[in-house]
Amino acid sequence: EAGVAQSPRYKIIEKRQSVAFWCNPISGHATLYWYQQILGQGPKLLIQFQNNGVVDDSQLPKDRFSAERLKGVDSTLKIQPAKLEDSAVYLCASSPGGQGNQPQHFGDGTRLSIL
Amino acid sequence: AQSVTQLDSHVSVSEGTPVLLRCNYSSSYSPSLFWYVQHPNKGLQLLLKYTSAATLVKGINGFEAEFKKSETSFHLTKPSAHMSDAAEYFCVVSRSNDYKLSFGAGTTVTVRA
Repeated sequence: EAGVAQSPRYKIIEKRQSVAFWCNPISGHATLYWYQQILGQGPKLLIQFQNNGVVDDSQLPKDRFSAERLKGVDSTLKIQPAKLEDSAVYLCASSPGGQGNQPQHFGDGTRLSIL
Repeated sequence: AQSVTQLDSHVSVSEGTPVLLRCNYSSSYSPSLFWYVQHPNKGLQLLLKYTSAATLVKGINGFEAEFKKSETSFHLTKPSAHMSDAAEYFCVVSRSNDYKLSFGAGTTVTVRA
């Protein structure tokens, strides 16, 4: 099966600019996650979708970050305006969802550098 | 609340020698535990998972981990390291009520020829 697809792989922008990332989960996976991974740290959950509804966005800086999953399949994460501390790898993951503790499958991530 | 502590930030081994990565967890409920590996510029790949079945869990690429409730540990081992094992390893605990993941800070493994 095809894995989680993310684009772009790398992005360099200046602070105060905007940027968007795209994620296509594994086919049939109902749950989609966006994580932020700062260099030298483990991933931190930003937002979790179940189909096209938000399950948890408690860690999402809503003044500058937004995410959507309109048709319950692919998703976009946007940052506007970007700050220097947003430099990180943004990982998308998906899981089948529903009941049970099913492992999450991760994409290769988008590495964002803010100048 | 649950959390994970990876006791070593960096482990260096010679090729062909055993690898031990240490992880302690805390959890209010019976936890599910995972080890993920991350190679440079790649996403995280699941190595193995513990979900209250056998306490000794076998994973991919020769890795295994033992769940010890009395010690609240879930250490990862491999009998013989290979150069391709050089990567970042994350111990992860999952909440039993909503399955949210908490990641350790990671252990960087270096393999010497």
